[in-house]
Amino acid sequence: AQRVTQPEKLLSVFKGAPVELKCNYSYSGSPELFWYVQYSRQRLQLLLRHISRESIKGFTADLNKGETSFHLKKPFAQEEDSAMYYCALTHSGNTPLVFGKGTRLSVIA
Amino acid sequence: DAGVIQSPRHEVTEMGQEVTLRCKPISGHNSLFWYRQTMMRGLELLIYFNNNVPIDDSGMPEDRFSAKMPNASFSTLKIQPSEPRDSAVYFCASSPRDRGTGELFFGEGSRLTVL
Repeated sequence: AQRVTQPEKLLSVFKGAPVELKCNYSYSGSPELFWYVQYSRQRLQLLLRHISRESIKGFTADLNKGETSFHLKKPFAQEEDSAMYYCALTHSGNTPLVFGKGTRLSVIA
Repeated sequence: DAGVIQSPRHEVTEMGQEVTLRCKPISGHNSLFWYRQTMMRGLELLIYFNNNVPIDDSGMPEDRFSAKMPNASFSTLKIQPSEPRDSAVYFCASSPRDRGTGELFFGEGSRLTVL
């Protein structure tokens, strides 16, 4: 069975500090991993996907199959990064996304 | 495009009452998903449709929950009878054919409170 684990419910960092939101998954095949974000009073939206290998709003995430992880990182946190972040997994692109329970990031000025 | 539209945004009802949540997906999207969000369990998939056909409803908690998609532009999620433990935010999301099921476009959610 597919499972996504986000071990931290809440993560607080100071503005300008590095941030890492952890995500681990369990799936024996070749997964597709995503990060979704929900800013206050906004819709849940896609932030980035591992196959794109892109940086969005300064965030990057690398799929580590050996550690079955897909941690989200940003070198310098900004106040506007405060939001709820969800890691999600699918496989073959034809199965629905399985989400982690989410991590609330709070960036303190 | 206004995106995925859900109604009502907020619903407060009493235990035992019927609740109907509505969703209009983005035009042209062929997959539609219903998720439930709670503090304890996070985002859980309830059911999803592909080309208006229910594909997987294994996430529907029990027979009190039912979902329909009579056409490509409308879906409903019904709870009858409702119970306090059904209190949650219910999200509808749609996905276009060429994006697989990974890139979802979410509605604003319907916050349900069952007293």
